[in-house]
Amino acid sequence: GENVEQHPSTLSVQEGDSAVIKCTYSDSASNYFPWYKQELGKGPQLIIDIRSNVGEKKDQRIAVTLNKTAKHFSLHITETQPEDSAVYFCAASIGGSARQLTFGSGTQLTVLP
Amino acid sequence: NAGVMQNPRHLVRRRGQEARLRCSPMKGHSHVYWYRQLPEEGLKFMVYLQKENIIDESGMPKERFSAEFPKEGPSILRIQQVVRGDSAAYFCASSQGGANEKLFFGSGTQLSVL
Repeated sequence: GENVEQHPSTLSVQEGDSAVIKCTYSDSASNYFPWYKQELGKGPQLIIDIRSNVGEKKDQRIAVTLNKTAKHFSLHITETQPEDSAVYFCAASIGGSARQLTFGSGTQLTVLP
Repeated sequence: NAGVMQNPRHLVRRRGQEARLRCSPMKGHSHVYWYRQLPEEGLKFMVYLQKENIIDESGMPKERFSAEFPKEGPSILRIQQVVRGDSAAYFCASSQGGANEKLFFGSGTQLSVL
């Protein structure tokens, strides 16, 4: 089955700096890659996703890039703010849908004021 | 438009008791997924249901665990004869299906087995 590895497990940045989280996946058939933000005591919230027919997608301060050849995708957050502090999860699934997502192990992002 | 609603938020059970976790999907969503999250780990897929049908239960243990999504009412994840290892956060997600479906998660039920 699919295996998703996520790095780093913890990341601290100064407010205003950029943060980058990287994930690799094992199954070349995977073609849907969402990113979720989970705050303490809450469920994961979808923040951005990308499908394999594009290489990059941006939404304000958040962007995701996908390299299908290398089987890795990354989350980029620019101009970080303290409210960006949370655990971020990447995920991958086959078939282009959200069915049976395989999640990475998460990255604890801390934005220092 | 209410999001995915899960209850209870916290559930404490003694070993051997039954746990029932409920999930009401977002309005207009007919697809429900259950995931389990152990401390400091990612979410693990358990089961995928549509109204009155289990579509994929490949991630759910064969014994003691069952799930349903009846025609009326919430989806239920049922764990019989709970053991300490069942302690985890259980998240429900819903979607409207289709080629471009997106999953939206509830706030989860934290199950603690004493």
